[in-house]
Amino acid sequence: AQKITQTQPGMFVQEKEAVTLDCTYDTSDPSYGLFWYKQPSSGEMIFLIYQGSYDQQNATEGRYSLNFQKARKSANLVISASQLGDSAMYFCAMRETNRGSTLGRLYFGRGTQLTVWP
Amino acid sequence: NAGVTQTPKFQVLKTGQSMTLQCAQDMNHNSMYWYRQDPGMGLRLIYYSASEGTTDKGEVPNGYNVSRLNKREFSLRLESAAPSQTSVYFCASSQGLAGSLKETQYFGPGTRLLVL
Repeated sequence: AQKITQTQPGMFVQEKEAVTLDCTYDTSDPSYGLFWYKQPSSGEMIFLIYQGSYDQQNATEGRYSLNFQKARKSANLVISASQLGDSAMYFCAMRETNRGSTLGRLYFGRGTQLTVWP
Repeated sequence: NAGVTQTPKFQVLKTGQSMTLQCAQDMNHNSMYWYRQDPGMGLRLIYYSASEGTTDKGEVPNGYNVSRLNKREFSLRLESAAPSQTSVYFCASSQGLAGSLKETQYFGPGTRLLVL
């Protein structure tokens, strides 16, 4: 079973509008971390935002926020006021703890290609 | 401060040839990783090294070997390349603090490999 599921292969949004990119995860660990990365067409992976499973509040970083619904095991990325430069592939990822120690590895979803149009 | 560097950027191989992808980081990180990215598949972990002197298999290790040469360098070797290994390869590093869920992985620019 996939640990991270991103069901939207592609999304389109008009400039200045908000967009939500979906991510659901599967883990039995009580303690885990969720990440979003951006990959523009140039290919590099850029870290955007982090949410810990015990964090009381949803994470925010500038125009990025994470809609974390623990009971539903979802960690959707919300981009407000989209810009043309937001056009990119977006990956959701998860880190689990394993018997109390963190191996550090990330599990990635298959990504969502976001296109922002003027 | 270069972060994570990878060489080469591009490579074309014939089936059966061997090559080594090089990765180095200058952030004094303990942990290093190799991923491959294929269309529609996201990033999949090939091998990782939690700390200097240790390496472990990830999800897709077959056909690859790794060497953690020192704290800075982590190389990925294809002994006999196959067309199925055509992919984009990313190296990443992180601090590798035990119990740290939050630490970020920093990625290199990637190596595009084509195996004919």
